[in-house]
Amino acid sequence: GAVVSQHPSRVICKSGTSVKIECRSLDFQATTMFWYRQFPKKSLMLMATSNEGSKATYEQGVEKDKFLINHASLTLSTLTVTSAHPEDSSFYICSAPGPGRAQETQYFGPGTRLLVL
Amino acid sequence: QQQVKQSPQSLIVQKGGISIINCAYENTAFDYFPWYQQFPGKGPALLIAIRPDVSEKKEGRFTISFNKSAKQFSLHIMDSQPGDSATYFCAASKENQGGKLIFGQGTELSVKP
Repeated sequence: GAVVSQHPSRVICKSGTSVKIECRSLDFQATTMFWYRQFPKKSLMLMATSNEGSKATYEQGVEKDKFLINHASLTLSTLTVTSAHPEDSSFYICSAPGPGRAQETQYFGPGTRLLVL
Repeated sequence: QQQVKQSPQSLIVQKGGISIINCAYENTAFDYFPWYQQFPGKGPALLIAIRPDVSEKKEGRFTISFNKSAKQFSLHIMDSQPGDSATYFCAASKENQGGKLIFGQGTELSVKP
């Protein structure tokens, strides 16, 4: 089946630095990818829709300049957390629709655990 | 505004029992309702899904019941097993949004042996 990978799986960084998280569709192409954020024991909150070759669409309340999204190819979307602070510590998960009907073929990555010290 | 409300927040069931998780939605434009299972430190995985033109869907031990008029749907796990212990999320989406999902709050299920 379709696979979505994320890299890194965990990252620890100092406050004020930027961190890049990659989301790759391994055996299919995805013109759209989604980025979610999840706090411990909480739900997945959609942050933005990543669109290949165009700007990302951010959900209300998500800072565009804080969370930079680049969808440079049909298999790769990146999320960069700029000037990270401890409150940005969270579990970041991406998803991509696989072949077929997008609603029915959402594949999620394994997530990236970000800890900002 | 929480578009998909899920309950209970946590659930403890004995092995062999039935686990029931409920969700309610507000937007009648939603036309696809999946359930996801998530283990700690992992991404969610699709368990089962339903569309509004069907009142029930069963796959193995997992059944979705759907009540369109009440805008509610539920997940039933029959013969619950300790391996089912995980967090379950209901979600909803619209056809024209490319797979964008709105998640419920999640239910942490613990199945005791």
